[in-house]
Amino acid sequence: GDSVTQMEGPVTLSEEAFLTINCTYTATGYPSLFWYVQYPGEGLQLLLKATKADDKGSNKGFEATYRKETTSFHLEKGSVQVSDSAVYFCALRNYGQNFVFGPGTRLSVLP
Amino acid sequence: GAVVSQHPSRVICKSGTSVKIECRSLDFQATTMFWYRQFPKQSLMLMATSNEGSKATYEQGVEKDKFLINHASLTLSTLTVTSAHPEDSSFYICSPDRAGGDTQYFGPGTRLTVL
Repeated sequence: GDSVTQMEGPVTLSEEAFLTINCTYTATGYPSLFWYVQYPGEGLQLLLKATKADDKGSNKGFEATYRKETTSFHLEKGSVQVSDSAVYFCALRNYGQNFVFGPGTRLSVLP
Repeated sequence: GAVVSQHPSRVICKSGTSVKIECRSLDFQATTMFWYRQFPKQSLMLMATSNEGSKATYEQGVEKDKFLINHASLTLSTLTVTSAHPEDSSFYICSPDRAGGDTQYFGPGTRLTVL
């Protein structure tokens, strides 16, 4: 079945550091890819998405590019802030099917 | 603004009691509702999928008699945890599915603590 793998956390960075959270997937067909963020005590919020190969999703300084050749959707941000501390989930969804989530990566940004 | 609401946000109950969690889709009609649970520091696990007006489909290992789902309207679904036990303590998240859309919206979650 479809699956999503993320780099294990926790990831701890200093403010203004560069962030990369790796995400790779296994899926049939051509799924849409997503990054969701979960702040402490809250539900998931959509951060960005990409629906086809080579698409780049971006939001709030975060970016991820749908790489079909490497089946990856790595999340990047050039300069993280303390407020970016959260858990980040990579996910995929094939049309008409359920979401498949990765295990999540906890990010802590220190001032 | 929020498109999905859940109530209550937190609930503490005694073992053996039942707890009802409401999920409302505020901005669109949800023909399908997903219910997830999330254990501390873990990912979301799909519990069940319900379609408005029909019985829910439960994932393997989820007791349908324990987790009662009602999806009586296109904007409201409820999850009732019956005869709750401490091991049911978890974060429960609903997710209404907008027909034809590929973006999934999630409720803010309900943290259930069973003493």
